[in-house]
Amino acid sequence: QKEVEQNSGPLSVPEGAIASLNCTYSDRGSQSFFWYRQYSGKSPELIMFIYSNGDKEDGRFTAQLNKASQYVSLLIRDSQPSDSATYLCAVSSGGSNYKLTFGKGTLLTVNP
Amino acid sequence: EAGVVQSPRYKIIEKKQPVAFWCNPISGHNTLYWYRQNLGQGPELLIRYENEEAVDDSQLPKDRFSAERLKGVDSTLKIQPAELGDSAVYLCASSYDQGAQHFGDGTRLSIL
Repeated sequence: QKEVEQNSGPLSVPEGAIASLNCTYSDRGSQSFFWYRQYSGKSPELIMFIYSNGDKEDGRFTAQLNKASQYVSLLIRDSQPSDSATYLCAVSSGGSNYKLTFGKGTLLTVNP
Repeated sequence: EAGVVQSPRYKIIEKKQPVAFWCNPISGHNTLYWYRQNLGQGPELLIRYENEEAVDDSQLPKDRFSAERLKGVDSTLKIQPAELGDSAVYLCASSYDQGAQHFGDGTRLSIL
């Protein structure tokens, strides 16, 4: 059973701080890694993907991947109240059009 | 570009009744997915289509669930008969080639 583990939170950070979200996965054959944001009652929205070890930056978001440690993280710089949502880590053993295995998500709250 | 369209948005039925969900993927997206998301959990894949072919239906409870994707575009997911444990949000997603998966707003199913 392939598993993706996330701390369910809630993770609470003050506005302007860095939010750090973590995810571990069990399948060493995993190739593609995704972070989705889900507002309450809404559908998941893709915010970042990463395929190679190291860091990938997009605006205020940085995804970090360490395949040896089977660990992927998402950093959100200058956190805003609008970033308050559940963040879902998803992993695929193939390309992005393969089955995604999701974690349970981490609830992030950014306090003004 | 129009997103993934799902209907209905909400459905309330009594147990043992049939129910169907409809999905129209993003134009040109050849891969279509149905996920089920229980409260407080990440989405779980039910079935994945590449064009008209169901290439991964290992998680679909085939005794009561069925799906079809005629002409490789729209798709329907059916449950018959529905059970109390089927209450969840049913999400449709689509992708093109190696592109990322984009989700619709989902159908929230409640079984009485």
